[in-house]
Amino acid sequence: NAGVTQTPKFQVLKTGQSMTLQCAQDMNHEYMSWYRQDPGMGLRLIHYSVGAGITDQGEVPNGYNVSRSTTEDFPLRLLSAAPSQTSVYFCASSSYFLGDTQYFGPGTRLTVL
Amino acid sequence: AQTVTQSQPEMSVQEAETVTLSCTYDTSESDYYLFWYKQPPSRQMILVIRQEAYKQQNATENRFSVNFQKAAKSFSLKISDSQLGDAAMYFCAYPQGGSEKLVFGKGTKLTVNP
Repeated sequence: NAGVTQTPKFQVLKTGQSMTLQCAQDMNHEYMSWYRQDPGMGLRLIHYSVGAGITDQGEVPNGYNVSRSTTEDFPLRLLSAAPSQTSVYFCASSSYFLGDTQYFGPGTRLTVL
Repeated sequence: AQTVTQSQPEMSVQEAETVTLSCTYDTSESDYYLFWYKQPPSRQMILVIRQEAYKQQNATENRFSVNFQKAAKSFSLKISDSQLGDAAMYFCAYPQGGSEKLVFGKGTKLTVNP
């Protein structure tokens, strides 16, 4: 049981490049989400999904796309990277039960030059 | 907008002493959950403790306990017998609008001095 996995752990991009951050969970959780963590800002929700085929925007969705074709996977796509997207990105999952623990992946540190 | 406020950007404590981290939140919900997460230097987010708002009793997990004041919308974390391994960022979090969407405070950096 690997829990929530994220790849890559580190990434450096140039402005304008695109990439996909991968997230997978093996706990059969319905709910998955992406957060970004910036210094002094805590974690902010980017996008979330309550099940396969269903996604919605969080607090800071601009510049990011998501899709959820399976229960296990929830990739985050950066369409055209900008320096403002330099951050640490976390994927999380939980059952769709209010108050259930959200399990976080190890994070991806992204730097956009 | 629902918010979570952690008023102490940094705290320090001597090993074996007790420290309390503050958190206040704003909600119009009557039934909800509150969470404290720990983020050590490894960056991994780890759930420390969870409180159900309709329960009068404060949650406890070993050396960690909360002081939940529903009317005051206050949810502080007490760490007893502090250990060096408790050094980390601590985040208070609240599910927005009765959903699974967590709203986080900006965090408190805890230093434990030997």
